[in-house]
Amino acid sequence: NAGVTQTPKFQVLKTGQSMTLQCAQDMNHNSMYWYRQDPGMGLRLIYYSASEGTTDKGEVPNGYNVSRLNKREFSLRLESAAPSQTSVYFCASSDYRQNQPQHFGDGTRLSIL
Amino acid sequence: GESVGLHLPTLSVQEGDNSIINCAYSNSASDYFIWYKQESGKGPQFIIDIRSNMDKRQGQRVTVLLNKTVKHLSLQIAATQPGDSAVYFCAENINLDTGRRALTFGSGTRLQVQP
Repeated sequence: NAGVTQTPKFQVLKTGQSMTLQCAQDMNHNSMYWYRQDPGMGLRLIYYSASEGTTDKGEVPNGYNVSRLNKREFSLRLESAAPSQTSVYFCASSDYRQNQPQHFGDGTRLSIL
Repeated sequence: GESVGLHLPTLSVQEGDNSIINCAYSNSASDYFIWYKQESGKGPQFIIDIRSNMDKRQGQRVTVLLNKTVKHLSLQIAATQPGDSAVYFCAENINLDTGRRALTFGSGTRLQVQP
């Protein structure tokens, strides 16, 4: 049981390039999330999808778009990367019931030059 | 806005001692809290959770205490081992403007276990 799988694990981009981060979960969870984590800080929510077919903005959505491709997959896209988007990106998923823990992938380390 | 925070950024303990990591929260409406462990290069790993109708919950070598009066959460790790060295985050479930709920995280405490 892989849990939450993120690809790629590492990526370096130039300013202005675009990229899509992929996330898939095999736990049959309804809800999925994208966070970013900057050095010495906690995770900040970028976007989330409470269920297949819905997406909502989180705390820091500017510069990002998401797609809930199906129940398993939730992708994050940077249309025009900026150095301020250098971060570690984590995807998570959780059961649809209220007050359930989120399960995280191991992250994508993204550097933008 | 209201947020979750931690008292100590770094905690150093001797192997075999008990560790206590603290967390303060300010949202009195929060009713669900989670502790995560994050090792270097890994994603946060769920340790234990607690709902606001409880004061204490125990797991394997870990105990979470919730004091709603002073809005304080703590994680106790018994007989701390080198493998416990990591950054620990508390998180609370908050209500978003959309009416949905999501977790908000504190900045984390680094636990260093000395052999």
